[in-house]
Amino acid sequence: GAVVSQHPSWVICKSGTSVKIECRSLDFQATTMFWYRQFPKQSLMLMATSNEGSKATYEQGVEKDKFLINHASLTLSTLTVTSAHPEDSSFYICSAIRDSYRAGYTFGSGTRLTVV
Amino acid sequence: RKEVEQDPGPFNVPEGATVAFNCTYSNSASQSFFWYRQDCRKEPKLLMSVYSSGNEDGRFTAQLNRASQYISLLIRDSKLSDSATYLCVVNPGGGADGLTFGKGTHLIIQP
Repeated sequence: GAVVSQHPSWVICKSGTSVKIECRSLDFQATTMFWYRQFPKQSLMLMATSNEGSKATYEQGVEKDKFLINHASLTLSTLTVTSAHPEDSSFYICSAIRDSYRAGYTFGSGTRLTVV
Repeated sequence: RKEVEQDPGPFNVPEGATVAFNCTYSNSASQSFFWYRQDCRKEPKLLMSVYSSGNEDGRFTAQLNRASQYISLLIRDSKLSDSATYLCVVNPGGGADGLTFGKGTHLIIQP
């Protein structure tokens, strides 16, 4: 149980284009989902917290107009990287809490974005 | 000071050995703690939660020292399949908050 599906698993796009990443909780309802980013040999960094039906909360230094988050239902959150640049190339991972935060968080399989 | 600090390694140990990882965290109000495992180019997977009294799961033992803000993970009788990066993870808010990750410690088990 507690499966989070993330798509696509990898994407290559041209500079200036936008990319949408989807994160779905398959067997539970996730009122809160998190989006992380991981650069090579770095730790996962929280980008934003996505709450169903409300605006996302962004961490300091993350541009909300560049990384658009939509959490329209209890099972789906999307992250759109707008006007992507090569420096946005990274591993993006979503995560959701199933029931208790002490039970840990379930992660999607991640999306490797390469902007050329 | 970084919020969650770990020795990046790599730790090269022979199969069957016991290996210990340490981690320190800066936010004394942190409430929940975890060890995750991350294989190369994959998502992190929960290895175990860490409780104040210490806890064990098979070959893995986790300890928490709140006074020192220190977390440890012990792996006994290491297997080749234990090779991975081990992430020390803290929930700073204690509730439904995003997690704070250490950079991870890379472990290589040698046959």
